[in-house]
Amino acid sequence: GQQVMQIPQYQHVQEGEDFTTYCNSSTTLSNIQWYKQRPGGHPVFLIQLVKSGEVKKQKRLTFQFGEAKKNSSLHITATQTTDVGTYFCAGPGRTNAGKSTFGDGTTLTVKP
Amino acid sequence: EAQVTQNPRYLITVTGKKLTVTCSQNMNHEYMSWYRQDPGLGLRQIYYSMNVEVTDKGDVPEGYKVSRKEKRNFPLILESPSPNQTSLYFCASSLFDSQETQYFGPGTRLLVL
Repeated sequence: GQQVMQIPQYQHVQEGEDFTTYCNSSTTLSNIQWYKQRPGGHPVFLIQLVKSGEVKKQKRLTFQFGEAKKNSSLHITATQTTDVGTYFCAGPGRTNAGKSTFGDGTTLTVKP
Repeated sequence: EAQVTQNPRYLITVTGKKLTVTCSQNMNHEYMSWYRQDPGLGLRQIYYSMNVEVTDKGDVPEGYKVSRKEKRNFPLILESPSPNQTSLYFCASSLFDSQETQYFGPGTRLLVL
């Protein structure tokens, strides 16, 4: 079945440093979604990428979808303590619209 | 307020004692799904439902049952819980299917002794 891998599993940064998490799927994706889960909270939708090569920005966050639609990345510029949490990518089932596969997540900690 | 609610939020039980975790959404969403979250394993899909009376297995359905008798409700049933079902459970819903934004409930932390 479809597998979605995410690296790194953990990332510790000093406040102000940049951060990137990478997501790779074993199959071509119709779209990819990114979610953020704050400590003790639930996943919250950040963004969805649909087109090959798509790049979207949300303030300090930049999301990219690979040309082959099998990989994606999330880059945070100049991290802040409010960025702390676990970031997940998720790929819907390519042939099954009910299936949803999440990556294992990247947990970001930010040292002030 | 548009939301997904789950009850209970915390539950301690013993092996073999049947339990139900309720999930309800007020957004008139067609699609609902259950996930479990374990350290280092991310979110794994247990079951999903595309509409009333339509349910299907996710990646880790063993030991779980679901039903979708009404659009707004999607309960998760553990007929005979075992310690390996100790986990954090999330219910989610979206407008039509997994290709849409999923809205998650607050989670239910389950401990099976």
